[in-house]
Amino acid sequence: DAGVIQSPRHEVTEMGQEVTLRCKPISGHNSLFWYRQTMMRGLELLIYFNNNVPIDDSGMPEDRFSAKMPNASFSTLKIQPSEPRDSAVYFCASTSGLHNEQFFGPGTRLTVL
Amino acid sequence: AQRVTQPEKLLSVFKGAPVELKCNYSYSGSPELFWYVQYSRQRLQLLLRHISRESIKGFTADLNKGETSFHLKKPFAQEEDSAMYYCALQREYGNKLVFGAGTILRVKS
Repeated sequence: DAGVIQSPRHEVTEMGQEVTLRCKPISGHNSLFWYRQTMMRGLELLIYFNNNVPIDDSGMPEDRFSAKMPNASFSTLKIQPSEPRDSAVYFCASTSGLHNEQFFGPGTRLTVL
Repeated sequence: AQRVTQPEKLLSVFKGAPVELKCNYSYSGSPELFWYVQYSRQRLQLLLRHISRESIKGFTADLNKGETSFHLKKPFAQEEDSAMYYCALQREYGNKLVFGAGTILRVKS
């Protein structure tokens, strides 16, 4: 298994543009998480899904952010419109059950100019 | 609300010196505590968890409920230990992890 897969690995865009980040969890894992990493705030949970259903989206910063999980093998995080303060590394992670290890993807480094 | 505090942004030690990365948490229940590590150019990965009570790469961490701490320790630091370390808390129910801000460990030769 290639582990959690994220694309793109790097994204540079201009303020106001729509950005879509993609994640493929490990096959068989039923929980998926989106995190944002910045120097100032460290790792913050944005949203997580159990069995494709959003469970906790309290970390989503504002309405410009949305996430979907249409099936067990794919999730997207969308930012529309993007702003420079959204620049960060976005991680996706998945796990197979309660209290189990979370496996992280390589991250997407987003730069909004 | 749950909170995890890692007071040091950067910890710099010499090779062979003892290391202690501090982690304090606030949560009224019985949490599960973890340490995750991110080596340069690698993915964030689990280092250890308190429930397993094992030593990984020479690191140990003891949950102190009285002090609400879960400090990560290693008696003799090695250069390959240089990385970003995150302490994380999970409640008794649900998969949500709350991370601290992270500590960069730099081991100098």
